[in-house]
Amino acid sequence: NAGVTQTPKFRILKIGQSMTLQCTQDMNHNYMYWYRQDPGMGLKLIYYSVGAGITDKGEVPNGYNVSRSTTEDFPLRLELAAPSQTSVYFCASSQTSGRANEQFFGPGTRLTVL
Amino acid sequence: TQLLEQSPQFLSIQEGENLTVYCNSSSVFSSLQWYRQEPGEGPVLLVTVVTGGEVKKLKRLTFQFGDARKDSSLHITAAQPGDTGLYLCAGVNDYKLSFGAGTTVTVRA
Repeated sequence: NAGVTQTPKFRILKIGQSMTLQCTQDMNHNYMYWYRQDPGMGLKLIYYSVGAGITDKGEVPNGYNVSRSTTEDFPLRLELAAPSQTSVYFCASSQTSGRANEQFFGPGTRLTVL
Repeated sequence: TQLLEQSPQFLSIQEGENLTVYCNSSSVFSSLQWYRQEPGEGPVLLVTVVTGGEVKKLKRLTFQFGDARKDSSLHITAAQPGDTGLYLCAGVNDYKLSFGAGTTVTVRA
C-alpha cells in the first residue's frame, strides 16, 4: 500500500492564481482531513470529510474549498491565492473516529505564494 | 490561541541525556496522542493514551496522561541522535484532532 499520497510536493504561485492540491489514499479510510502547518503553530485543520459526498469546515477554512466524490480522493482547491496561504499542507486519513483515531499523513505539499 | 500548549518549544541535549516534553490544556479530551515528525515528512503516530493517569512505555519513551485527561508528558531516557525530530501532542475529540505547536528536539552526538 502507498498509504496517503500528495501532489505536487512543491509549488510556487503568484497572488490571485488558483490551484488544486491532490490527495489520494489507498487504505479505504472513511475519514479524510486537510491541515496546514506554519512554523511554530502546529497543524491547523482546514477541512475534513467523514465519507464520500460529505465535507465540513475545520478551524481555518477561509480561502479553500474541498470535494469528496470518491472514498480515495480528497482534493483541496485554492481559488485566489494570497501570501497568507504560504504554508505546508498535509492530507491525512483515518479508519475510525473516537479515541482510537490514528491519522495517517501524506508527505505534504510546500506552497509559496508570491 | 493554541488549545494545547507544549513546552519547551526547543530542546537541545547531548546523546545519553534524558528529556521531558510537556503538553497542557484547559480542555478535557477523550484521548491524547503523540506524533513525531521528521523534516520533509508528515507526522507519524507514536502512542495514544486514553485513561486518566495512564502510563505507556515504548522502548526508551514513556508517555503519561494526567489524571484529569487535560495534560500529558513524554519522557525520553538516554536520548539518541535518532530521536531528533518535532514532537507533537494532539487532543482527540471524536474524529478531530487539536494539535499543539510542537517541541523541536535535537540530540547531539
